Amino acid sequence: EDKVVQSPLSLVVHEGDTVTLNCSYEVTNFRSLLWYKQEKKAPTFLFMLTSSGIEKKSGRLSSILDKKELSSILNITATQTGDSAIYLCAVVSRGFGNEKLTFGTGTRLTIIP
Amino acid sequence: GAGVSQSPRYKVAKRGQDVALRCDPISGHVSLFWYQQALGQGPEFLTYFQNEAQLDKSGLPSDRFFAERPEGSVSTLKIQRTQQEDSAVYLCASSLRGTEFEQFFGPGTRLTVL
Repeated sequence: EDKVVQSPLSLVVHEGDTVTLNCSYEVTNFRSLLWYKQEKKAPTFLFMLTSSGIEKKSGRLSSILDKKELSSILNITATQTGDSAIYLCAVVSRGFGNEKLTFGTGTRLTIIP
Repeated sequence: GAGVSQSPRYKVAKRGQDVALRCDPISGHVSLFWYQQALGQGPEFLTYFQNEAQLDKSGLPSDRFFAERPEGSVSTLKIQRTQQEDSAVYLCASSLRGTEFEQFFGPGTRLTVL
């Protein structure tokens, strides 16, 4: 059974701090890893990492995929209160002709002003 | 439409009732996914459509759960004889095709079974 584990489960930091969120996975036929930000409603897409694109950056957010260690990290620098959210990691794996997205339980990030 | 929409946004059902949850994907998106998200958990995959074909329903927790997308656009997730453990947020997502393209999520339907 495919498994995605995120750590820490929750994190509280002060505005301006840098945070690193972790995601590790055990899946058959890995295809890609995605990061989502979930505030009160639906998850919104942040990054997709594949074998051909193991590092992504957008503003203060960056992510790296380590296929050898079966893990990924999401870094947020100079955190702001608007970064408070649940950050979800999901892994795409291929089954019998189909593709499946398995989510971790998320990391709840709280930024204190 | 501009994004994925779902209705109703909130549904309260008495145990044993049947419910139907609707998802309108982004126009032109071939793939549609349903997820169940319990409180404090990440979304869990339920089922996946490519056009009108249900390619994967391995995540449906029991035969009380049924999903359809008869014309390859709007999808309905039906839960028969609801149980308290069915209480969750049901998220729908669509993508251009499969999981190689970004999935856009709807706002979800929060189902509470009393």
